[in-house]
Amino acid sequence: GDSVTQMEGPVTLSEEAFLTINCTYTATGYPSLFWYVQYPGEGLQLLLKATKADDKGSNKGFEATYRKETTSFHLEKGSVQVSDSAVYFCALSDIGSARQLTFGSGTQLTVLP
Amino acid sequence: DSGVTQTPKHLITATGQRVTLRCSPRSGDLSVYWYQQSLDQGLQFLIQYYNGEERAKGNILERFSAQQFPDLHSELNLSSLELGDSALYFCASSDAGGSTDTQYFGPGTRLTVL
Repeated sequence: GDSVTQMEGPVTLSEEAFLTINCTYTATGYPSLFWYVQYPGEGLQLLLKATKADDKGSNKGFEATYRKETTSFHLEKGSVQVSDSAVYFCALSDIGSARQLTFGSGTQLTVLP
Repeated sequence: DSGVTQTPKHLITATGQRVTLRCSPRSGDLSVYWYQQSLDQGLQFLIQYYNGEERAKGNILERFSAQQFPDLHSELNLSSLELGDSALYFCASSDAGGSTDTQYFGPGTRLTVL
């Protein structure tokens, strides 16, 4: 079945540092890939998505590129802010699975001033 | 604000009881998904409804059931509750069957079983 493996946390960075959170996936079909963010006490918010190989999703300075050859969708940001502190989830949606989302385990990011 | 609403925000109940969680999807979305988030299992898909019909089932216990009504709101019913059912329950909606498979999440219902 489908699965998502995400970099274990927690991750602690200083403000303005470079962020990478690794995500790899296994899917039988051609999935869409997503990054969701969960701020403390809140629900999940869509951060970015990519629907086919070599697509780059971007939002709020975050980027991720759909790499079919390495089955990866790593999240990057050039300069993190304290307000980026949250839990980040990588997920996939496969039309063969009625588009339900399969999530990674989440990565807790803390950014220190 | 995603446009998806969930009530109640918090629910505290006792073992053996039954509760109902409610979800209203974004305007125009026909699909509703339910997910459970727990510390030991992470985020897991429970069940999906599309325009009133069950579309897919995930790791949903037999003690749990759901339905989607003609106005497209959905309810998740949890019965014979156990301590291990304590979790955050999220609803998400999408226009699955349309041009996008993006799911938009509600704020969740935190269930505590004592």
